[in-house]
Amino acid sequence: EIVLTQSPGTLSLSPGERATLSCRASQSVSSSKLAWYQQKRGQAPRLFIYGASSRATGIPDRFSGSGSGTDFTLTISRLEPEDFAVYYCQHYGSTWAFGQGTKVEIK
Amino acid sequence: QVQLVQSGSELKKPGASVKVSCKASGYTFTTYSMNWVRQAPGQGLEWMGWINTNTGNPTYAQGFTGRFVFSLDTSVSTAYLQISSLTAEDTAVYYCARYDLKPDYWGQGTLVTVSS
Repeated sequence: EIVLTQSPGTLSLSPGERATLSCRASQSVSSSKLAWYQQKRGQAPRLFIYGASSRATGIPDRFSGSGSGTDFTLTISRLEPEDFAVYYCQHYGSTWAFGQGTKVEIK
Repeated sequence: QVQLVQSGSELKKPGASVKVSCKASGYTFTTYSMNWVRQAPGQGLEWMGWINTNTGNPTYAQGFTGRFVFSLDTSVSTAYLQISSLTAEDTAVYYCARYDLKPDYWGQGTLVTVSS
């Protein structure tokens, strides 16, 4: 069973700053099966990144994903007000697993 | 356009059952599997398992066997999640999500509240 651990739990930043979110897997995973979601309060998760680094439809290019093996990163180059939310990483395939989430809050 | 529309919120008493629906539109229903995800209040996302929309064969994740049943009605492009013997611990939002090469579309979620 793959376990995904996200860090930090909460990231306090100001608009315009850069955000770096980490996702570590308990064993090596295929980067083609690693995704990132954004979830706002009361809404369903929205796919932002799939295949570790491909942006989903309509996702602005200030969002980028990278990594391989056991270590993956979601970077938001310059935070906009609408980016403050919870972000989850996910491994998908024949089974799915989610990290516990990172909350990006306004400092 | 692709849509997954789930049934509305449910309030159930302990011991009762609930059936949540997820109606798909905008694509060929049987070309994508359907996954189910639970989110307890204030908590993260938990994968419950998936159903093969071609064969109807379900696969349940650990912790979701016995009381949980995935089913389909392909004639109306709808997937179902049924939970029996409800307890307060089943209070959560339940999401359906389609999957082929990537899990790209999710339903809006169905809140199931279990309370006496």
